[in-house]
Amino acid sequence: AQKVTQAQTEISVVEKEDVTLDCVYETRDTTYYLFWYKQPPSGELVFLIRRNSFDEQNEISGRYSWNFQKSTSSFNFTITASQVVDSAVYFCALVTPFSNQGGKLIFGQGTELSVKP
Amino acid sequence: GAVVSQHPSRVICKSGTSVKIECRSLDFQATTMFWYRQFPKQSLMLMATSNEGSKATYEQGVEKDKFLINHASLTLSTLTVTSAHPEDSSFYICSAQTSTRKETQYFGPGTRLLVL
Repeated sequence: AQKVTQAQTEISVVEKEDVTLDCVYETRDTTYYLFWYKQPPSGELVFLIRRNSFDEQNEISGRYSWNFQKSTSSFNFTITASQVVDSAVYFCALVTPFSNQGGKLIFGQGTELSVKP
Repeated sequence: GAVVSQHPSRVICKSGTSVKIECRSLDFQATTMFWYRQFPKQSLMLMATSNEGSKATYEQGVEKDKFLINHASLTLSTLTVTSAHPEDSSFYICSAQTSTRKETQYFGPGTRLLVL
C-alpha cells in the first residue's frame, strides 16, 4: 500500500530562520512521483515540485530546496531564510501511475508552517 | 497552460437543498477528473474519480447517491451535493488529468460550501 507521512503537524519559526519539512513515503512500486504543494489561507493548492523515482538529484529553486533520498524513502523540503509569506500548509504527495492506483495522489497529513515577523 | 477553474468559489445554501459545483479544464482535455473534500485542519480526502463518458468510481465511505458526479465532456465535470446538510460544509477541490500524463493532476481553486 502507498502511504505518505508528514510527522510535523505544525511548525513555528521566526522570519529568516531556515526550516525543513519532513516527508516519508511508502510504496512497493519502482516507478513513482513525489510532489510538494503549498496551500495558503485562500485554499488554492500551489504546485511546488515534482520528482520522479529515477531522479535522486536534489533541487534548489530560490529559497526552496528539496532532498530526495530513496534509501530512507524521504523527500524533505527546506525553506531558507523564511518569510512571513511562506506561512501556509504544505502537503507532500505520492503517485504511482502504473499501479492499480493509477493516477491517484496520496497526500500526507500536511504541515502547517507559521512564520512570525 | 493547464488551467482548471471551479464555479462557484463560495456557496451558502439552506439545509435540504442541492448544490452543483462545476470543474472545467480551460486549455486541455481532461480524460480523468478527481474530486476531493477537505475539512479544516485536515488533508485532502479523495471522494471519487471520474473518467469522461463513464460512471464515477467512489472511494470507500463516500455516498454516491449523495454526491452525484457527472463527467459528460472532456472539459467539464460536475459534483452535485444532494439534500445538503450542515455536516457537508467543507472545501471541495477538483483536479484534472490527461490520458498521457497520469502522474500529474492540475488543481482547481476550490469551492467553499457552507450549509446552514
